[in-house]
Amino acid sequence: DARVTQTPRHKVTEMGQEVTMRCQPILGHNTVFWYRQTMMQGLELLAYFRNRAPLDDSGMPKDRFSAEMPDATLATLKIQPSEPRDSAVYFCASGLALPGGTEAFFGQGTRLTVV
Amino acid sequence: AQSVSQHNHHVILSEAASLELGCNYSYGGTVNLFWYVQYPGQHLQLLLKYFSGDPLVKGIKGFEAEFIKSKFSFNLRKPSVQWSDTAEYFCAVNARSSYKLIFGSGTRLLVRP
Repeated sequence: DARVTQTPRHKVTEMGQEVTMRCQPILGHNTVFWYRQTMMQGLELLAYFRNRAPLDDSGMPKDRFSAEMPDATLATLKIQPSEPRDSAVYFCASGLALPGGTEAFFGQGTRLTVV
Repeated sequence: AQSVSQHNHHVILSEAASLELGCNYSYGGTVNLFWYVQYPGQHLQLLLKYFSGDPLVKGIKGFEAEFIKSKFSFNLRKPSVQWSDTAEYFCAVNARSSYKLIFGSGTRLLVRP
């Protein structure tokens, strides 16, 4: 059963520490999305990639967040330094971009708590 | 830029009641439309999608949605809800030119037994 895998599932860290979240997209998918979910803001698109190239990261605070795809099987989202306001659930989703459209499949998420 | 509006933030229904959740999008080009469901503590799962063709789309668990292009709407319906439908529902739009997938603010549905 193909699925998007995110690690870690839960992370508690102190303010100022670096946080790295990882995502393994479904094999063969060429599009990867990173979202942040909070009660106040809902689901915010942070960044997305197609064929490993970043297409749009305008939703991401550039001074502390970075997103990369070192290879087709791994996407990473880093926060350095982390702040309490970064506490949220971070979701990765992958999809296969076809001429007709793209359906996104979501991972289980990483629940981040910054204290 | 595309955007999505969901009109109802919280909906409370009794079992067997009918459901309709509103969704409107803003984008001048061709779009794909989706409804996702998030059960408490879980990730988002696809309920149904519209890419092209018949504007009335049927999804899983008895849900359906109708794309009305002139109204920029994609409302979700279910004739008879069950307690197990308690969840948060998200409408999403994907601009075909950019593949960017944007979500609405979500609607929390509570179904009372």
